[in-house]
Amino acid sequence: QQQVKQSPQSLIVQKGGISIINCAYENTAFDYFPWYQQFPGKGPALLIAIRPDVSEKKEGRFTISFNKSAKQFSLHIMDSQPGDSATYFCAASRLSFGNEKLTFGTGTRLTIIP
Amino acid sequence: DTGVSQNPRHKITKRGQNVTFRCDPISEHNRLYWYRQTLGQGPEFLTYFQNEAQLEKSRLLSDRFSAERPKGSFSTLEIQRTEQGDSAMYLCASSLGTGMKTEAFFGQGTRLTVV
Repeated sequence: QQQVKQSPQSLIVQKGGISIINCAYENTAFDYFPWYQQFPGKGPALLIAIRPDVSEKKEGRFTISFNKSAKQFSLHIMDSQPGDSATYFCAASRLSFGNEKLTFGTGTRLTIIP
Repeated sequence: DTGVSQNPRHKITKRGQNVTFRCDPISEHNRLYWYRQTLGQGPEFLTYFQNEAQLEKSRLLSDRFSAERPKGSFSTLEIQRTEQGDSAMYLCASSLGTGMKTEAFFGQGTRLTVV
């Protein structure tokens, strides 16, 4: 039972372009939606996160768009750089339940080409 | 203390052997999580500790798996009678647990290969 669905599985974007990764969730009790970045051989690192009371959050070149009614959220990377090449995971949790247990998507391997 | 530390980084074991992994969380963090990540997949939750108490276990955590967190500091994850299907990256994460503004920090993981 996959509670968080992520697409695409892989993505190739030219340097300077916009990378867009999409996620959809099923459990309406989720109230915290982070995105993690993972480089080979490393653990996931938090990139940006959003709560469902806002529709958009921006931090530098990274933006999360959130659509509560559609149960969807997406990550936009503006001015994509070769250093952004990594695997990105969306996730969801129920912070109101008292812990940060994360349900992850299946990941998107992003490659930025010159 | 610069982050979550996991040891060993890599472990190769023969099927049927027991293995134990260690996680040292960020020192003031009271919550500790174990996840398993297989190739091409996102991490899957295994178990969660608040201080020394194990508060939740996933159905993925069979009877061959056991986790402890004595004294609420480091944690160990033991797998008994390993099977080839146990081959995966085992990730540990910790958090401060201060309500709605908290973040889980991950270690670099222990990659287990069962041959």
